[in-house]
Formats: sequence, C-alpha cells, structure tokens
Amino acid sequence: DSGVTQTPKHLITATGQRVTLRCSPRSGDLSVYWYQQSLDQGLQFLIQYYNGEERAKGNILERFSAQQFPDLHSELNLSSLELGDSALYFCASSVLSGGQETQYFGPGTRLLVL
Amino acid sequence: GESVGLHLPTLSVQEGDNSIINCAYSNSASDYFIWYKQESGKGPQFIIDIRSNMDKRQGQRVTVLLNKTVKHLSLQIAATQPGDSAVYFCAENRAGNQFYFGTGTSLTVIP
Repeated sequence: DSGVTQTPKHLITATGQRVTLRCSPRSGDLSVYWYQQSLDQGLQFLIQYYNGEERAKGNILERFSAQQFPDLHSELNLSSLELGDSALYFCASSVLSGGQETQYFGPGTRLLVL
Repeated sequence: GESVGLHLPTLSVQEGDNSIINCAYSNSASDYFIWYKQESGKGPQFIIDIRSNMDKRQGQRVTVLLNKTVKHLSLQIAATQPGDSAVYFCAENRAGNQFYFGTGTSLTVIP
C-alpha cells in the first residue's frame, strides 16, 4: 500500500458525460500528479499540482481539468467524455529526498466510457 | 526525438532464473531514473532508483545498471519468482521534475 488513495475504483459512464476522480496523497506529500494509462500506451503525464498550485502540464486535453484543495487532495475532472477517454487514471504523490523526487502511485481509477 | 523506451515488450523466464529488463533513453540531460513494477489491476509500485552520478545500485534481489555512454538502463532481478510477474516500467526524470515512462515490459515467470 503506497498510502495514496483514489476513488472511485471503477467508473462506467456514457459519452458526453462528466466525471470527477479523486485522489488523496500520502500524508505530508505536497505534490500530486495525474496520469492516464491506455491499453496501447504507457503512462501519459497529464498535470501536476504542488501545494494547491498548478506546477506542470503535460498532455492534458482542454476537456480535462484538475485542482488541488487546501487539504492537498486533488480532483481530476473529465468532461464531454469520448470513447477514447476510457483508460486507467492514476494519481501519484511525491516526496523529495536528497534532491530527487520519488513518486508513489495510487491504485488507479478505471474509467469506461460507453 | 526524445524518448524513453523498452527493448522488449515481453519477457518469459523460468522460476529461479535471473531476469534482465532493458530500457533506452535519449536525453543525456536526464539525471534520475526509476523502475516501477505494475501488477495487474494495481498502480505502479516503486522498485528502485538510480541517479546519473551512479552506474549501479542494488536492492533486495534487484539491481539497476546505468550506462550513460549508450543511454541504457537495465533492471536485473535475481532468482525470479512467480510473484515477480508484472509489467515493469522505467521512468526518466527530466528538467522540471516531469517523469516520462516507457510502455513497459511484461515479465512472465514460468513455474
């Protein structure tokens, strides 16, 4: 158990809908990362938050947005869902040690868009 | 272009044998690398890391080797066990603390 929690574990929805994925980082970790993992691709970095502020953006679609709250939990909002958005969505929180950052992943949310 | 990739998508080994999983990277500015293990239905799990000022690092039954000359990273698993069956990713850390992951190598341990 990494200490990172994600809810829900599974989500089934229809095209055009909107969903919210939730992540709680490990205690004390200020950074949260969101990743998308499709069947035919590796982990694709979406976005990073640090202590409530957006720090880095990756391949995140305009239909997707995220935020990190004062208690450091984060939410990833996916709207106008398409079939191709079906994937595993992971969040990770990180700890800085010796100048390097190590990420610890949650169990993921499996999204199926029908 | 820049990439983080794996030489082999699948690897099958006999239980008790040693496993070697390879990874290539192309950005010589990368200074930190991590190996993750992902079991079916679970999130990636940190295995071992290495910084660019090192050539080798050992953990429990795992060793990571870094060859900066050819930009190559490998993960060696000693005495592979059925519980080692999983997908293994290497991750490359570039400037700005963004991590880039390979597509993974699927390791199957044959009892």
